[in-house]
Amino acid sequence: SQQGEEDPQALSIQEGENATMNCSYKTSINNLQWYRQNSGRGLVHLILIRSNEREKHSGRLRVTLDTSKKSSSLLITASRAADTASYFCASSRRNTPLVFGKGTRLSVIA
Amino acid sequence: EAEVAQSPRYKITEKSQAVAFWCDPISGHATLYWYRQILGQGPELLVQFQDESVVDDSQLPKDRFSAERLKGVDSTLKIQPAELGDSAMYLCASSLDASGNTIYFGEGSWLTVV
Repeated sequence: SQQGEEDPQALSIQEGENATMNCSYKTSINNLQWYRQNSGRGLVHLILIRSNEREKHSGRLRVTLDTSKKSSSLLITASRAADTASYFCASSRRNTPLVFGKGTRLSVIA
Repeated sequence: EAEVAQSPRYKITEKSQAVAFWCDPISGHATLYWYRQILGQGPELLVQFQDESVVDDSQLPKDRFSAERLKGVDSTLKIQPAELGDSAMYLCASSLDASGNTIYFGEGSWLTVV
């Protein structure tokens, strides 16, 4: 069963706008990770945030984690057409494999 | 940059036939995973290896699926017999260890069962 749930399921924005995706999970975690998947390709790791961190940045990506609400958000600033992809959160617990959500399909329109 | 290699990239097979997928993880990665991803869904773990040992195969349909990593390096996932519901992408991934940090995915093997 999938531990994480992303919201929204699909998101369509104009190039230059910001995109925000949310993820909720069910149990306590060691870290939470975000991955990106271009259509028909494998997943690529974007960013990892540990359970004792609240916010992390990487380039145009900003991730927040709220362990009290068991939720995380991924913000992509100044989106580009090349950001069009599916984005998955994955929760990690000690000695258990990553569990992925169903993903958010982001479309960035030029 | 080191990559996880998978083959074949695409496979069409008739139901009841056997099919096999191969994966070569990043060199030095002790942990290897096989995930299945149905269109529009997230990846779901089928089996996890630590070196040559199976760590988790609780979601592997063992009546028809088998996986091995004999020398603790590359791995094969087999389906026999294939069913229509097995149509999906089969993703291999690897990581340095099973600590729950970043895992690296291959490009996947698309299976269509007709």
